[in-house]
Amino acid sequence: GAGVSQSPRYKVAKRGQDVALRCDPISGHVSLFWYQQALGQGPEFLTYFQNEAQLDKSGLPSDRFFAERPEGSVSTLKIQRTQQEDSAVYLCASSLDTNTGELFFGEGSRLTVL
Amino acid sequence: GQNIDQPTEMTATEGAIVQINCTYQTSGFNGLFWYQQHAGEAPTFLSYNVLDGLEEKGRFSSFLSRSKGYSYLLLKELQMKDSASYLCAAPQTGANNLFFGTGTRLTVIP
Repeated sequence: GAGVSQSPRYKVAKRGQDVALRCDPISGHVSLFWYQQALGQGPEFLTYFQNEAQLDKSGLPSDRFFAERPEGSVSTLKIQRTQQEDSAVYLCASSLDTNTGELFFGEGSRLTVL
Repeated sequence: GQNIDQPTEMTATEGAIVQINCTYQTSGFNGLFWYQQHAGEAPTFLSYNVLDGLEEKGRFSSFLSRSKGYSYLLLKELQMKDSASYLCAAPQTGANNLFFGTGTRLTVIP
């Protein structure tokens, strides 16, 4: 497709379960970002990839969060042993180059941890 | 540190004009972005200002004053579909990502 695609759109997990969220960026986009958005808040940065290299993971809230982009295209955000405070929308965004410019967002994956 | 402040909520009438303000503090300036986000949808790019002044794009305009650390988004001839959150964002100092404000939720009423 032409835009950023994320799956699943909705995920319900029991506390303690592991989840994996997928992002398929716009073809050819070098930069890929993951953001976490709580209800009524702005997106908060989690991690950044330039091609397959994870250059910044300063926003990951704990070592239960892990992201990868092994071939420089599709990325997966994995959350281990989910907690209720992990409930949020996880947004993926991509941009064409490495300069901070316009980000193209996916519709997000809404995670609810019971 | 870096900080972005914008009002949490605003209400305006269909057909009217509304101005959404944003103040920012950053150690280095590399432009200011506005994004629109409808409930349950992806944020979409509206504007990018790097120089002082007003940039007009149809019904939407964005203004920047670097000396005051201030920007606003001006929406004219409001339509019901303009009801959304409007996010002010700036490049994170020393990084490649955007730092977002909490967003202003605009409700347009008939």
